[in-house]
Amino acid sequence: DIQMTQSPSSLSASVGDRVTITCQASRDIDNHLIWFQQKPGTAPKVLIYDASTLEAGVSSRFSGSGFETDFTFTISSLQPEDAATYYCQQYYNVPYTFGQGTKLDI
Amino acid sequence: QVQLVQSGTEVKKPGSSVKVSCKASGETFNTFGIHWVRQAPGQGLEWMGVIIPIFDTPNYGQRFQGRVSITADKSTGTVFMEVKRLASEDTAVYYCAKERRPGHFYYGFDVWGQGTPVIVSS
Repeated sequence: DIQMTQSPSSLSASVGDRVTITCQASRDIDNHLIWFQQKPGTAPKVLIYDASTLEAGVSSRFSGSGFETDFTFTISSLQPEDAATYYCQQYYNVPYTFGQGTKLDI
Repeated sequence: QVQLVQSGTEVKKPGSSVKVSCKASGETFNTFGIHWVRQAPGQGLEWMGVIIPIFDTPNYGQRFQGRVSITADKSTGTVFMEVKRLASEDTAVYYCAKERRPGHFYYGFDVWGQGTPVIVSS
């Protein structure tokens, strides 16, 4: 199975800050990476797919980059509604595997 | 956009089985991969398996092989996920999620169901 190592596991930031989360795959996954946002009691929401493509209707404050094994997710100017847990996931191979999640407090 | 609508909360005894359904509203998705993912309380996300209804051949995560069954009813556009021999560790929210493009895996999810809580307790 492909292991996804996500960091940090938690972070605290202020409105207007720029934050970055990283995800490392245990082997080459090309650009088959998604970033999700999950708020308590709700289903995950797709923000970025194919490592860098913004899902329709998602704020352009969210962005992603990376290829093969190293990936980055950035929120350019934090808003209060961005408080959530963020996950990366590879879909290069089944079983699809997830990062451990990053809990973002604002 | 298509929505995935799942069945409601289940409360089960240890050793019993549970069957959760996932149906698209707005269009059928018989050519799209439908995945199942679970999330135990306070924990991360765990992939369980996938089926493409028109091919009807599920693929399971190794730890779920033999205890989880994913099936599809093409006539109603509904996918089912059954977990047998439930234990307290199976208490979780179970989600279905749809592949972005039809015909194969490896395109990533675009739509998630709302989740089905399953509580296993004696």
